Amino acid sequence: KQEVTQIPAALSVPEGENLVLNCSFTDSAIYNLQWFRQDPGKGLTSLLLIQSSQREQTSGRLNASLDKSSGRSTLYIAASQPGDSATYLCAVPSGGSYIPTFGRGTSLIVHP
Amino acid sequence: NAGVTQTPKFRVLKTGQSMTLLCAQDMNHEYMYWYRQDPGMGLRLIHYSVGEGTTAKGEVPDGYNVSRLKKQNFLLGLESAAPSQTSVYFCASSYTHEAFFGQGTRLTVV
Repeated sequence: KQEVTQIPAALSVPEGENLVLNCSFTDSAIYNLQWFRQDPGKGLTSLLLIQSSQREQTSGRLNASLDKSSGRSTLYIAASQPGDSATYLCAVPSGGSYIPTFGRGTSLIVHP
Repeated sequence: NAGVTQTPKFRVLKTGQSMTLLCAQDMNHEYMYWYRQDPGMGLRLIHYSVGEGTTAKGEVPDGYNVSRLKKQNFLLGLESAAPSQTSVYFCASSYTHEAFFGQGTRLTVV
């Protein structure tokens, strides 16, 4: 069974800092890994999808890396802004399937 | 460009009542999922489907039933609601790699 752990559980930083959010998983036989953002009371918005053959993906100020062999992914947020405040979720398929298993998320607050 | 649509968005039920949550996707995806999200627990998989006419149990299936009669729709049923089923329910769909989520249904059972 895939288990996904996200560290830290919560993070509060001043605007402008560069951030690293961590995701670890126990089953490295995965097809992909997906990072989501969730605003309070809202649904999940896909940020980045990394295929198992890729090492990283970038979108604007976001960069996600994947190290399958060690069961780790990091989401790097450059020059954080108050608008980045949200919960960030990592999802990894389990058991050789495409079914996403989620970590509990990192709750991020960026204050002005 | 609707994506994944969940109906209803909010609902209050009395203990013992039944209801059906509807999920519709317009992306021709094979895979569909129902999750529940509770504080401190993250998203947990209730049931899923890998294609029209198929369903399977996830991590927390007790008290729920599902049906996938049409490829675009995935229904989640609560036959006899309990307060423990108070939660936010999310539906998602995927072709293979990338999952897309609906906006959620906030259900309160009193």
